[in-house]
Amino acid sequence: GQNIDQPTEMTATEGAIVQINCTYQTSGFNGLFWYQQHAGEAPTFLSYNVLDGLEEKGRFSSFLSRSKGYSYLLLKELQMKDSASYLCAVSRNTGFQKLVFGTGTRLLVSP
Amino acid sequence: GAVVSQHPSRVICKSGTSVKIECRSLDFQATTMFWYRQFPKQSLMLMATSNEGSKATYEQGVEKDKFLINHASLTLSTLTVTSAHPEDSSFYICSARGETGNTEAFFGQGTRLTVV
Repeated sequence: GQNIDQPTEMTATEGAIVQINCTYQTSGFNGLFWYQQHAGEAPTFLSYNVLDGLEEKGRFSSFLSRSKGYSYLLLKELQMKDSASYLCAVSRNTGFQKLVFGTGTRLLVSP
Repeated sequence: GAVVSQHPSRVICKSGTSVKIECRSLDFQATTMFWYRQFPKQSLMLMATSNEGSKATYEQGVEKDKFLINHASLTLSTLTVTSAHPEDSSFYICSARGETGNTEAFFGQGTRLTVV
């Protein structure tokens, strides 16, 4: 089995920086994804980490520590449109390398 | 990125009827497709993994006779909710990955199912 935990909700103000954490316990870990999902829409890909370290992509960065079972998504220069749910998902190297999602974090960005 | 098309986007059906949801990869071959269910304000729950040409692998607690999955070709997987009940009302999303395996999963637009 696996446990993938994230904070349920976070709030931040426009222009600020926010860090969304994800901790996981799983066997056969084979990579971690972050997705953004607006209400009523499908998730969209943000980042992928398989090795330890920081991956930067514009305003978004993602960090992974495999030994600690920990990842975070860092959002800089927050914009109102960043209000969404952020989902971390673990890829398991078992069978079909299925993607299992964490509990999700709802981020509200206020003016 | 690759395109995954899911149809219909919304469906309303009566209790006791069956509903079929299609998931197509439009510009790549998806040997594996995944079906998720999402309740309001919750994360995606993996229901089953669909592999072309073989039986789907269901997650624990998911009724395989109720949620029929068929992966007829490398670009099409279907989910049929049989004898639907109001508690089956949910957002269903499919995703597909290419043959290289550990790459991002591309998601369909999702299907909002309402059973009345």
